[in-house]
Amino acid sequence: GDSVTQMEGPVTLSEEAFLTINCTYTATGYPSLFWYVQYPGEGLQLLLKATKADDKGSNKGFEATYRKETTSFHLEKGSVQVSDSAVYFCALTLDSNYQLIWGAGTKLIIKP
Amino acid sequence: GAVVSQHPSRVICKSGTSVKIECRSLDFQATTMFWYRQFPKQSLMLMATSNEGSKATYEQGVEKDKFLINHASLTLSTLTVTSAHPEDSSFYICSARDRRRAGGPQFFGPGTRLTVL
Repeated sequence: GDSVTQMEGPVTLSEEAFLTINCTYTATGYPSLFWYVQYPGEGLQLLLKATKADDKGSNKGFEATYRKETTSFHLEKGSVQVSDSAVYFCALTLDSNYQLIWGAGTKLIIKP
Repeated sequence: GAVVSQHPSRVICKSGTSVKIECRSLDFQATTMFWYRQFPKQSLMLMATSNEGSKATYEQGVEKDKFLINHASLTLSTLTVTSAHPEDSSFYICSARDRRRAGGPQFFGPGTRLTVL
């Protein structure tokens, strides 16, 4: 079945470090891919998205490229800040329906 | 693991009627639950944050008189779509946060597909 797999957390980094959170997917069709972020005490927010192969989504210094050949959508940021500490969810939706399929979430902890 | 259920999973109703969707945390207590709406081929949109024992906090642009939220207990929140119209047809998802894990992750329900004829 369709699924999303994220790297397990928590991921702990120092401020200004480079971040990668891996996300791979399995889908029978051609999904749209999303990264959502949940800051402490808040609801989910869409961080970025990509709707077709080779698209790059970007927002707030975060980037992710839709790689069809490796079925991946890894989240990256060049220099993280303490304020980036949150839980990050990778998700996909297929054209045939609009139910989101979620990864388990990766908790990111940035230390000053 | 933490489980969140929603009922019903699918509902079809006539225009002008009201529909109630339940969100339950099955094996944990949740002081905070979230209600989301998803349009076809689009991402999730946060509608409101439901707090047990108090009024829900609605996001900008969401009509609180149309989408009534009641969080009556630590394991149940309900969303009532009042006087539903075809444009309310959507996929509604709830999530809940375990009260024992402040700032912890949300656990998502499977969603409810609402179709208004």
